[in-house]
Amino acid sequence: GAVVSQHPSRVICKSGTSVKIECRSLDFQATTMFWYRQFPKQSLMLMATSNEGSKATYEQGVEKDKFLINHASLTLSTLTVTSAHPEDSSFYICSATGTTNNEQFFGPGTRLTVL
Amino acid sequence: RKEVEQDPGPFNVPEGATVAFNCTYSNSASQSFFWYRQDCRKEPKLLMSVYSSGNEDGRFTAQLNRASQYISLLIRDSKLSDSATYLCVVNGGGGFKTIFGAGTRLFVKA
Repeated sequence: GAVVSQHPSRVICKSGTSVKIECRSLDFQATTMFWYRQFPKQSLMLMATSNEGSKATYEQGVEKDKFLINHASLTLSTLTVTSAHPEDSSFYICSATGTTNNEQFFGPGTRLTVL
Repeated sequence: RKEVEQDPGPFNVPEGATVAFNCTYSNSASQSFFWYRQDCRKEPKLLMSVYSSGNEDGRFTAQLNRASQYISLLIRDSKLSDSATYLCVVNGGGGFKTIFGAGTRLFVKA
């Protein structure tokens, strides 16, 4: 299947700093990318959906000014957690789709720890 | 009612057992259905798509019942390596929204 990479895989930062996470589709053009968050022992929660060249669509309860999403090309989307706080510590996973059957290909995830 | 509901389990079964998971969804306009597998602290990976006619892949069989709005996953001859969380995924109609179930945890023991 298609490959999606995510960088970094793990990040530890101080409270108040901003963290950028990259999501890349390596061997296909991703028309749509999704950003999820998963807390321990909980389900994946969709944060936002982004289409290349347009503004992301955020799910209810997700602050767009805190979680900045940029999808500048068909192979790259970035999520920036601005002014991170300990409650933002979570596993962030991106996925991408470029096919017509809506199968999503997931990145390996980024584990964010905010001290 | 949740948009996608699954029994969280855990299901504890011996090796070689047959185990079945069900998942119900609320949006009758949903178009695509999938089962994903997620290992601990890893990303989800597609196990199989679910078609109206039902589909089988080795020891795994998935079925869709649109009238009752549920999908199922059957695992035969369970292996230790099948231990994971199985996520039911439903892609809604217009709007392209994908909803994940909370997952069903399976433990296969020797």
